[in-house]
Amino acid sequence: DVKVTQSSRYLVKRTGEKVFLECVQDMDHENMFWYRQDPGLGLRLIYFSYDVKMKEKGDIPEGYSVSREKKERFSLILESASTNQTSMYLCASLGGPGANVLTFGAGSRLTVL
Amino acid sequence: SQKIEQNSEALNIQEGKTATLTCNYTNYSPAYLQWYRQDPGRGPVFLLLIRENEKEKRKERLKVTFDTTLKQSLFHITASQPADSATYLCALDQDNAGNMLTFGGGTRLMVKP
Repeated sequence: DVKVTQSSRYLVKRTGEKVFLECVQDMDHENMFWYRQDPGLGLRLIYFSYDVKMKEKGDIPEGYSVSREKKERFSLILESASTNQTSMYLCASLGGPGANVLTFGAGSRLTVL
Repeated sequence: SQKIEQNSEALNIQEGKTATLTCNYTNYSPAYLQWYRQDPGRGPVFLLLIRENEKEKRKERLKVTFDTTLKQSLFHITASQPADSATYLCALDQDNAGNMLTFGGGTRLMVKP
């Protein structure tokens, strides 16, 4: 089975701090994604990457950047965290059971104080 | 862009009954539609994918229908069990390549013993 691992399950940061959220997948998938999930708003796509060093903006990229230096690793960066970035962040890899299916990590719950 | 509506109110049913969840979308009909299950504090897990030329898809106690005329998908769980209690998300692919999956807000299902 594809495994998507998010290194941090819970983080608490202060406003203005730089935050790195890391995600690793073990199935050599090309495409990886970062979503955030908020009550009442569902999952919203922040960025995705279809290859090493390649990235595309999703629906809500403002305040975020990403890095894909190796195929298996996709990082989400908050350059200067703000309280409105308190959320659950979900990483996913494309290519689970069947075509065009996402396999998600367990999520990283970030609280910005 | 595609807008997806799922009933935001929780669905409470008795064990053994059939649960039916609804996913409505606007605009164009996608090539396929997906359903995911999400448990509290965890990432979504893929359940079923149905293509536009398929009226119905089954997997064990799960059944999904896809009506492109009504722009609606129904997700059924027969002989429901307390272990089926979770939030169920539907997702549509905006570019038919899996890169722009748009998720509904999800419907929480509670199965009472």
